[in-house]
Amino acid sequence: AQSVTQPDIHITVSEGASLELRCNYSYGATPYLFWYVQSPGQGLQLLLKYFSGDTLVQGIKGFEAEFKRSQSSFNLRKPSVHWSDAAEYFCAVAFNQAGTALIFGKGTTLSVSS
Amino acid sequence: DVKVTQSSRYLVKRTGEKVFLECVQDMDHENMFWYRQDPGLGLRLIYFSYDVKMKEKGDIPEGYSVSREKKERFSLILESASTNQTSMYLCASSFGGQNEKLFFGSGTQLSVL
Repeated sequence: AQSVTQPDIHITVSEGASLELRCNYSYGATPYLFWYVQSPGQGLQLLLKYFSGDTLVQGIKGFEAEFKRSQSSFNLRKPSVHWSDAAEYFCAVAFNQAGTALIFGKGTTLSVSS
Repeated sequence: DVKVTQSSRYLVKRTGEKVFLECVQDMDHENMFWYRQDPGLGLRLIYFSYDVKMKEKGDIPEGYSVSREKKERFSLILESASTNQTSMYLCASSFGGQNEKLFFGSGTQLSVL
């Protein structure tokens, strides 16, 4: 079955440290891949997306993600985390089939310690 | 900027009531979606619509229905609210196609007592 998995429920990172949030999907072909962020009390905002081409994509707020076909992964990274990055992060996939919509992972909550 | 507006930020209803959650977008988007968000479960798709008067079931449509009479408006209906429908409801919209960015509303926190 098609699915998207975020293995980490909660991650704590020190301010200034690097960050990697994991995302894996299960699908026979390459889906469309997205990362969204939800700050407390806010709606979701798109950070970046991958459709094809260069497997390293740049997003807003200094985030990047790398698509690895061999690992069915699309991990989100940031070299230096800021306190304002504390939020919930969702990986999402759109499987290239008619009649399907975006499917979200269960989310990873990021806490930033000083 | 695209605006997706959900009519209520907080809503409290009683078990058995009929509940309407309204969503309006102002960018002429073809696609509209309703998700519910629960702690530890992420966002789960309830219903979506690719065009006026068209609807498709998502992963958890039971207990819900939808209406899309106009392109800009997508309503979620709880025919007989139950306590297990207490949740944050998020509406989203996008242009046609499956690789388009979703624009989300701020959400409606529904409590069913």
